[in-house]
Amino acid sequence: GQQVMQIPQYQHVQEGEDFTTYCNSSTTLSNIQWYKQRPGGHPVFLIQLVKSGEVKKQKRLTFQFGEAKKNSSLHITATQTTDVGTYFCAGFGGGGNKLTFGTGTQLKVEL
Amino acid sequence: SAVISQKPSRDICQRGTSLTIQCQVDSQVTMMFWYRQQPGQSLTLIATANQGSEATYESGFVIDKFPISRPNLTFSTLTVSNMSPEDSSIYLCSVERAGNYEQYFGPGTRLTVT
Repeated sequence: GQQVMQIPQYQHVQEGEDFTTYCNSSTTLSNIQWYKQRPGGHPVFLIQLVKSGEVKKQKRLTFQFGEAKKNSSLHITATQTTDVGTYFCAGFGGGGNKLTFGTGTQLKVEL
Repeated sequence: SAVISQKPSRDICQRGTSLTIQCQVDSQVTMMFWYRQQPGQSLTLIATANQGSEATYESGFVIDKFPISRPNLTFSTLTVSNMSPEDSSIYLCSVERAGNYEQYFGPGTRLTVT
């Protein structure tokens, strides 16, 4: 079945440093979504990318969908303590009609 | 977005018993989903619950163990039957707004089986 892997699994940064998480699917995706889960919380939808090579920005967050629609990345510029949490990518497609969540990247931000 | 509530928020249950988790949405939605999330792990889809039809279960999950009801467009229940400690997890319901694939999650139910 479809597998979605993320690297790194954990990232510990100093406040103000940049952060990037990478997402790779075993199959071509029709779209990719990103979610953020704060410690003790539930996943919250951030964004959806649909087009090959698409880039979207939300303030300090930049999301990219690969040309082959099998990979994606999330880059956070100048991290803040409010960015702490686990970031999941989730892919839709591969012939199925369900969302497959990636393995997640846990971000910790230190002052 | 959507406002989703789940009951109970947490429970501690004895093995061999069953627990029914409720999911209530503030507006009508077509697609509802049930996920399981082990602490520190990713989300695994259990089943998709559509109103008026039987739930569609993912590989590794069966109706006898996780019966689901979807009586209307704003409500669903998931029952975890004949529980064992391996069922200890967080169970999340989510909904999808028609046509845009974005999912919105409830706060989750933290289940501990002793």
